[in-house]
Amino acid sequence: QKEVEQNSGPLSVPEGAIASLNCTYSDRGSQSFFWYRQYSGKSPELIMFIYSNGDKEDGRFTAQLNKASQYVSLLIRDSQPSDSATYLCAVNPSGSGYALNFGKGTSLLVTP
Amino acid sequence: EAQVTQNPRYLITVTGKKLTVTCSQNMNHEYMSWYRQDPGLGLRQIYYSMNVEVTDKGDVPEGYKVSRKEKRNFPLILESPSPNQTSLYFCASSSRRQGTRHEQYFGPGTRLTVT
Repeated sequence: QKEVEQNSGPLSVPEGAIASLNCTYSDRGSQSFFWYRQYSGKSPELIMFIYSNGDKEDGRFTAQLNKASQYVSLLIRDSQPSDSATYLCAVNPSGSGYALNFGKGTSLLVTP
Repeated sequence: EAQVTQNPRYLITVTGKKLTVTCSQNMNHEYMSWYRQDPGLGLRQIYYSMNVEVTDKGDVPEGYKVSRKEKRNFPLILESPSPNQTSLYFCASSSRRQGTRHEQYFGPGTRLTVT
């Protein structure tokens, strides 16, 4: 089984702070990495994707990928209470075609 | 609007009564998939389809059936539902076009309760 691991949290940060969410994966040949945001009872929503080592920024979100360490992270700058949700890390493992393996998610709570 | 739709959104049924959850996408995506999500277990793939008439088992296929007769539709069938199939179900789709990277788009979910 190709694992995707996330700390379940909850991760609590004050409003305006940087939230840092981490994910490790077991399949060294994985090529594509995604972050989904899921509000309670709602469907996962794609917020970031990254394929190359390094950083990718989109607004307040930055995804970071380190394939050598098999580590992907999501930074949320200037966190807002509306960012409070569960963040799912998803990985497309090598040889899996179009399947995604999902982590169990990290719960983020942004306190006013 | 590009979207994945599911029906019904909520369903309460009894053990053994066959049911179908429909899924439809309007993005001309080739790949479609069904997941169930349970507390503490995360998203688990039930079945997927690479294209019309091509389906395969995911991680937890027992007790489920699927069909893919049209590109846009991918219904999930529970022939004889049991209480352990009480869950939140998501349909998702993805493009196989050159240059896309398998990002999946999810439907709104179907909350199923089997008593």
